[in-house]
Amino acid sequence: EDQVTQSPEALRLQEGESSSLNCSYTVSGLRGLFWYRQDPGKGPEFLFTLYSAGEEKEKERLKATLTKKESFLHITAPKPEDSATYLCAVLASGGSYIPTFGRGTSLIVHP
Amino acid sequence: GAVVSQHPSWVICKSGTSVKIECRSLDFQATTMFWYRQFPKQSLMLMATSNEGSKATYEQGVEKDKFLINHASLTLSTLTVTSAHPEDSSFYICSARKRGENSNQPQHFGDGTRLSIL
Repeated sequence: EDQVTQSPEALRLQEGESSSLNCSYTVSGLRGLFWYRQDPGKGPEFLFTLYSAGEEKEKERLKATLTKKESFLHITAPKPEDSATYLCAVLASGGSYIPTFGRGTSLIVHP
Repeated sequence: GAVVSQHPSWVICKSGTSVKIECRSLDFQATTMFWYRQFPKQSLMLMATSNEGSKATYEQGVEKDKFLINHASLTLSTLTVTSAHPEDSSFYICSARKRGENSNQPQHFGDGTRLSIL
């Protein structure tokens, strides 16, 4: 069974304090890993897709990396507007072609 | 492009009533739409997948007679929660796959519907 585990469950940072969010996965074969941002009361907003180990994607203060077992979402010098829940979803090969979501990491950045 | 609109964004109703939620792709044709349910601090749980013009495929444990899904056109899918009860209160989110995109590409999500059953 495909499993996606995100850690930590919640993270509080001071503005400017860089950190990383983790997404560990267990799948038979990886077709793709997605990162989304979800604001309270809203649907997920797409951030990145990673397809193979070693791949990196960057957007403003966010950088996503991928290994064969996990992905990290690095946040550099975060701002209060980066506060949100960050969701990771994994698409496995040979499966239903529908990604499995983790529970997310709730990030709060204090000014 | 790739905007998905859900309506209503929030609904409160009495136990026993039926509630319909609409999911529309505004600027693209959606060959497949997905319905998720999300409880507080939980992950998105897929309820069903619907393809235009065919019956929805429900995930294990989801009652198809309670959660009626219709995907009558390439831009509209509806979820009807029949005889809703307080335990059906949740955040319902739809997503869509654009015609021409494959499963390796991210889905396009709506903004969700908060359903509260009294």
